[in-house]
Amino acid sequence: DGGITQSPKYLFRKEGQNVTLSCEQNLNHDAMYWYRQDPGQGLRLIYYSQIVNDFQKGDIAEGYSVSREKKESFPLTVTSAQKNPTAFYLCASSPGTSGLGQYFGPGTRLTVT
Amino acid sequence: AQSVAQPEDQVNVAEGNPLTVKCTYSVSGNPYLFWYVQYPNRGLQFLLKYITGDNLVKGSYGFEAEFNKSQTSFHLKKPSALVSDSALYFCAQISSGSARQLTFGSGTQLTVLP
Repeated sequence: DGGITQSPKYLFRKEGQNVTLSCEQNLNHDAMYWYRQDPGQGLRLIYYSQIVNDFQKGDIAEGYSVSREKKESFPLTVTSAQKNPTAFYLCASSPGTSGLGQYFGPGTRLTVT
Repeated sequence: AQSVAQPEDQVNVAEGNPLTVKCTYSVSGNPYLFWYVQYPNRGLQFLLKYITGDNLVKGSYGFEAEFNKSQTSFHLKKPSALVSDSALYFCAQISSGSARQLTFGSGTQLTVLP
């Protein structure tokens, strides 16, 4: 899983609560990404950031928010507006902004009941 | 829209036999293609990539992939499967344009039977 850490590994929340997932990298990578993984659907891009203080929506950004105040950190907040938040969330980073060679963290499994 | 297709949800192969996990892509121009592997409740591990050059790309753990432009395919292969190769495999491509996002296939569960 390289130099990317995600915490916690498992997270449980009640419906209606916001929850923030942590992602930290010590690879000095410029770009960072958040994906959501559901069974049989592969990975879908939620948000990405190519530089500090800047981020872009991915394919399924609704109900999520991010910040990129530091190069090494890219936390994801799953808000109460996300209709179906239970999923496996993966953070990734890559050197430069080419997208080539993305390195993935170990993931956080979020369960909302 | 650009997409990656993995037509098989599940592939079973006996240990010691060759394995193939299929992937087709759709992108204009020259594609950048990747294979990743995922073990249960873990992140994705990079196996190999095709950017340019030889159509046969060699990667980690004895895996290789053959880029076929005419068939728009990038199948993952290994000459002799191991039980420890059992995992979920994802094919992915980089989108064109400035965003350079990875688009993933739906994944193929490989089971190697002892």
